[in-house]
Amino acid sequence: EVQLLESGGGLVQSGGSLRLSCAASGFPFVGWAMGWVRQAPGKGLEWVSTISGSGSGTYYAGAVKGRFTISRDNSKKTVHLQLNSLRPEDTAVYFCAKFKGLRFENYAFDFWGQGTLVTVSS
Amino acid sequence: QSVLTQPPSVSGVPGQRVTISCTGSSSNIGAGYDVHWYQQLPGTAPKLLIYGDNNRPSGVPDRFSASKSDTSASLAISGLQADDEADYYCQSYDSSLSGSRVFGGGTKLTVL
Repeated sequence: EVQLLESGGGLVQSGGSLRLSCAASGFPFVGWAMGWVRQAPGKGLEWVSTISGSGSGTYYAGAVKGRFTISRDNSKKTVHLQLNSLRPEDTAVYFCAKFKGLRFENYAFDFWGQGTLVTVSS
Repeated sequence: QSVLTQPPSVSGVPGQRVTISCTGSSSNIGAGYDVHWYQQLPGTAPKLLIYGDNNRPSGVPDRFSASKSDTSASLAISGLQADDEADYYCQSYDSSLSGSRVFGGGTKLTVL
């Protein structure tokens, strides 16, 4: 059974930093692209970042580029999202998700974690 | 403002068929990229409902189906049930920013 367990969320002041982690189990992990999606309170889903199966490719939404960094440790089956220069508008539940698919552009998020809440105070 | 446009809400009575639209542009759905649909029950994480335009993961009933044409896609739910009440999101890829995944704003389905 695929499981994704996020951790690292919390309350931080504007301009601060947090490091989110996502521990994966139930699938080979190596070779599978992973991503982060966030959901602000009462709002819809917003893609944040993607990392390729090898870790060599990383991609970011415009709203977080230059402030967030995605990485993965294949030996520990873990994905990280480093959040720097946080702003109140980054307040959201951050979901870790696994990708499936044959072609990169057509990947779907087939499994999701339960999310971790990040609250940025002004 | 979401890149993909969905109606904020739809409603139906048990047993009815409802559809949810998802309108994009030439840089996403119109470019031929796959559309995926997710269901988010209240207080839970999203769940993949339809992938690759109209494929259901194991366990998703065939009451759920989807289609795509030009720059739009739609999700159809037939034989509406009370526990279908949820938020539904469409998602695709957008070529305007490398690696960019885009979501619709979400549609709240109410079963009356």
